[in-house]
Formats: sequence, C-alpha cells, structure tokens
Amino acid sequence: QPVLTQSSSASASLGSSVKLTCTLNSRHSTYIIAWHQQRPGRAPRYLMKLEYSGNYNRGSGVPDRFSGSSSGADRYLTISNLQSEDEADYYCETWGINTQVFGGGTKLTVL
Amino acid sequence: EVLLVESGGGVIRPGGSLRLSCAASGFTFENYGMSWVRQVPGKGLEWVSSINWNGDSIGYADSVKGRFTISRDNVKKSLYLQMNSLRVGDTAFYYCARGDEIDYWGQGTLVTVSS
Repeated sequence: QPVLTQSSSASASLGSSVKLTCTLNSRHSTYIIAWHQQRPGRAPRYLMKLEYSGNYNRGSGVPDRFSGSSSGADRYLTISNLQSEDEADYYCETWGINTQVFGGGTKLTVL
Repeated sequence: EVLLVESGGGVIRPGGSLRLSCAASGFTFENYGMSWVRQVPGKGLEWVSSINWNGDSIGYADSVKGRFTISRDNVKKSLYLQMNSLRVGDTAFYYCARGDEIDYWGQGTLVTVSS
C-alpha cells in the first residue's frame, strides 16, 4: 500500500511563491498522484494530476499559478503569486487496485 | 458541468444504520469509477470505499470493511453507501467523488453518530 507524507504546515507572503511537497514511500516512488485544495469550510477541489516524469494536468478552471513537478519520490505543488484565497489545506492522493491513499495534508498560511 | 450531490446524512445512534446517496450529472456516469471519502471535522481526508464502472471491483478501508457497502445504479446515475453498525468514530463529513484519481468532489453530507 502506498504511503504519502506531507509537512503539516507551510507559510508564505502574499504575492510570493511556495512549494509544497508530497513524498511517496520508496516502493511506490513512481506512482502518479493528484493534488487537492480544501479551503476552510469547503469541500475539497481537484487541482491536478502529477506524474513521476513531472508532467502534470490541471483540472478545469484551475489557474496557471498552480504547477507541479517531480523529483524521485517527491511530488511538488508550486503556487506562484500567492493570493489570500490560496490559504487552504492541500492534500496529495494516490491510488492502487481497489484502494486510495491520502497524505496527511499541509495547511498553507498566506502572510 | 459535473455535479455530485450527496444526501442521506444525519444524526444516528451507535449501532444504527444509514444510507448515503450521491446523484451525479454532467458526465457519462457509467464510464467512471466512483469513491466515498470521509473527513472528521478538523482532520484529514480518509478514503472509505471505491467501486469501478460496473460494480464488479470494489474496495473498502479496513476501518469500514464488513460494516459498509458501496453500490451504484448506472440507470439512475447514482452512487450509494450503506452504513451499518455505526460507531461514534464514523462521525464525519462524507464526500462522493468521481474516479480513483479523484477529479471532482461533491459538497459532502454530515453523519453524526451519537447517543
């Protein structure tokens, strides 16, 4: 079963960039993941799918300020030109045969 | 526009049963696997169960195996979660989601298990 590890919190200033990390366990280091955003009091929202190669596909309506990249078992979500509405929890997700796994989530604070 | 609308949540006593429904629209329902994901208020996301397009491949989290049953009706474009032997620890928002690689979420329905 895949395991996804995320830092519990991150912070960055309005207008700056931030890079969030999701790390797969070594046995599943080539897995595709998805990133999801959850604003306070709201349902989660799909952001993108991100491959081992670093290729990514944003979901419908997701601004191009959101981008993805990969390095080995690490999957990154970079948010550029941070806005106040980007303050949210960010979760990574992966899946196997009849199973899905979520990371613990990173709470992003926009200063 | 893809829409997933959950219903059926509420307050139930421990040991009771509840059936959640998810009405799908805006896409060809029968072409997609579907999932249920839950979230204890203030905590992270937890996968509950998933079902493939025709219902012949199903998975459950260990925490609900033997108590919850996922099903779907492709004619009615609906997903269901039958929850039996409910526990206080099952209290959470329950989200319907499209796919294994989830690309759309419903707005959620709250299930509260309390005596």
